[in-house]
Amino acid sequence: SQQGEEDPQALSIQEGENATMNCSYKTSINNLQWYRQNSGRGLVHLILIRSNEREKHSGRLRVTLDTSKKSSSLLITASRAADTASYFCATDAGGFKTIFGAGTRLFVKA
Amino acid sequence: DAMVIQNPRYQVTQFGKPVTLSCSQTLNHNVMYWYQQKSSQAPKLLFHYYDKDFNNEADTPDNFQSRRPNTSFCFLDIRSPGLGDAAMYLCATSGGGDIQYFGAGTRLSVL
Repeated sequence: SQQGEEDPQALSIQEGENATMNCSYKTSINNLQWYRQNSGRGLVHLILIRSNEREKHSGRLRVTLDTSKKSSSLLITASRAADTASYFCATDAGGFKTIFGAGTRLFVKA
Repeated sequence: DAMVIQNPRYQVTQFGKPVTLSCSQTLNHNVMYWYQQKSSQAPKLLFHYYDKDFNNEADTPDNFQSRRPNTSFCFLDIRSPGLGDAAMYLCATSGGGDIQYFGAGTRLSVL
């Protein structure tokens, strides 16, 4: 069964605006990751946040994790046209396995 | 430098004709994964290897098989492709931690 559920399913913004994507999950986790996928390509790891962390930054990315609400958010600040992609949250499922959410498709208009 | 390489990028096969997709890695990672991803959906794990230890997902059809002859290579065999097997197939590796490194994928079309 799918662990992570993301919203919105699609997001369209202007270049320079911030983009926020949310992820909810169902069971306890050790960590949560965010991946990016450009159209027709593989996934690229962006950031990992552990269950004992509340916030993490990497460049223009900011991830928060609320384990009490079983939710996470990914904020991309000052978005660029090149940020257009699908973004997936992923949670550990034990035994080296990871379960991916359905993703948020982000469109950044130049 | 490409670290996880999938060949071919695009594969067209006929209904029922066996097809093999390949994946190689230069990361020397223990774990290799195969995912199926259909349009606008999440990648769905088919199976994974930890070294030579094969782990099949319970809902992976018997039509899908895999081989890992050595650390660097892993193959996905689809014995009798159906129209519903048309998808992007993603290979990924992991060094036993949580982060996975993906190849660019093979898009399979079934005619």
